[in-house]
Formats: sequence, structure tokens, C-alpha cells
Amino acid sequence: DSGVTQTPKHLITATGQRVTLRCSPRSGDLSVYWYQQSLDQGLQFLIQYYNGEERAKGNILERFSAQQFPDLHSELNLSSLELGDSALYFCASRQTGTPNTGELFFGEGSRLTVL
Amino acid sequence: GQQLNQSPQSMFIQEGEDVSMNCTSSSIFNTWLWYKQDPGEGPVLLIALYKAGELTSNGRLTAQFGITRKDSFLNISASIPSDVGIYFCAGLASGGGADGLTFGKGTHLIIQP
Repeated sequence: DSGVTQTPKHLITATGQRVTLRCSPRSGDLSVYWYQQSLDQGLQFLIQYYNGEERAKGNILERFSAQQFPDLHSELNLSSLELGDSALYFCASRQTGTPNTGELFFGEGSRLTVL
Repeated sequence: GQQLNQSPQSMFIQEGEDVSMNCTSSSIFNTWLWYKQDPGEGPVLLIALYKAGELTSNGRLTAQFGITRKDSFLNISASIPSDVGIYFCAGLASGGGADGLTFGKGTHLIIQP
């Protein structure tokens, strides 16, 4: 158990719909990262938040948005869903207050299927 | 942006065989990491390498940080069924998104009994 919690584990929806994925980082971790994993693209970095503020953006579509709340949990919002958005979405957090060793703690992921 | 070329993309091996996979980049990294993703789980860190030329072991796993700082390899000796999964290399550099961490596309390891 990494200590990172993601909900829901599975989600099936239709094209054009909007979904929200939720992540609770490990206790005390201020940084939250969102990744998308598809079969042919590996782990694609989407966006990072640190203590409520956006810190870095990766290959995140304009239809996607995220935020981190005062209690440090984060939500990833995916709208106008397309078939190609079907993927595993991972949240990860990093230990705060130490040099960046590159170690991220990943949740179990949310599997999104768009029909 | 920085890209990591990880190979092979997949491996089909017999139980007991040794495994070797590698990762290369056109950019220099300060740290190389290897993660493993079990089926239905998120990736978990296996080994981290912090110095060029460093060779580090973790049980049956051995990884090396290339001298040029542009590559790394991971070896698994005497593979067992629980080694099945996806292995990701990752490089850490100063600056860049995600606190400078870039992932390879992964090597799928499949073990035939």
C-alpha cells in the first residue's frame, strides 16, 4: 500500500461526457502528480500541483483540468470525453521537505473506459 | 522535451532466465530510476542510481548508471513468475516539468512457465 488513494477504480462512460477522478496523497506529501497511461504511450505526465498551486504542466489537453484543495487532495476533471481518452489515470505524490530523489508514490489508478 | 528510449518493448522469457533491459536518452540525467508496475497496480520504485558509473543491486536486480549519464540498464537474474509486469526507467534532471522526472514507455516482461 503506497498510501496514495484514488477513486473510482473503474469508470465507464460515454463520449461527450465529463468525469472527475479523485486522489488523496500520502499523509504529509504536498506534491501531487497526474499521469495518463495508455498501451502505446507509457506513462505520460499531465500536471503537477504543490500545496494547492499548479507547478508544472505536461501533455494535458485543454479539455482536462485539475486542482488541489486545501486538504491537499486533488481532482482531475476530464470533459467532452473521446474514445481516445480511455486509459489508466494515475496519481502520485512525493515526500516533501527532502531533496528530490525522483521517488514517487503511485496510487492504484483509475481505469477510464469511454464508449 | 526530454525523451527516454526504453528497450525492448516486451520480452517473453522462460522462468529461470536472466533478463536485461535498457534505457537511453539524448539528454543528460542526474539520477536514473527503475520502477516496476505489477498488473492492476501503480508503479513502485525498485532501484535509484545517483552517480555516473554507479552499479546498484536489490536482490536479484542490478542496475547501472551509464558513464555518459545518458543511459541505464536493468538486469534481473533467475527470473521467477512474480517478476511479471511492466518495468519503467525514469530520468531526473534539473528543471523541466514534473520536477524534472521523465519516464520511458516501459518494458513488458512476460514469463512462460
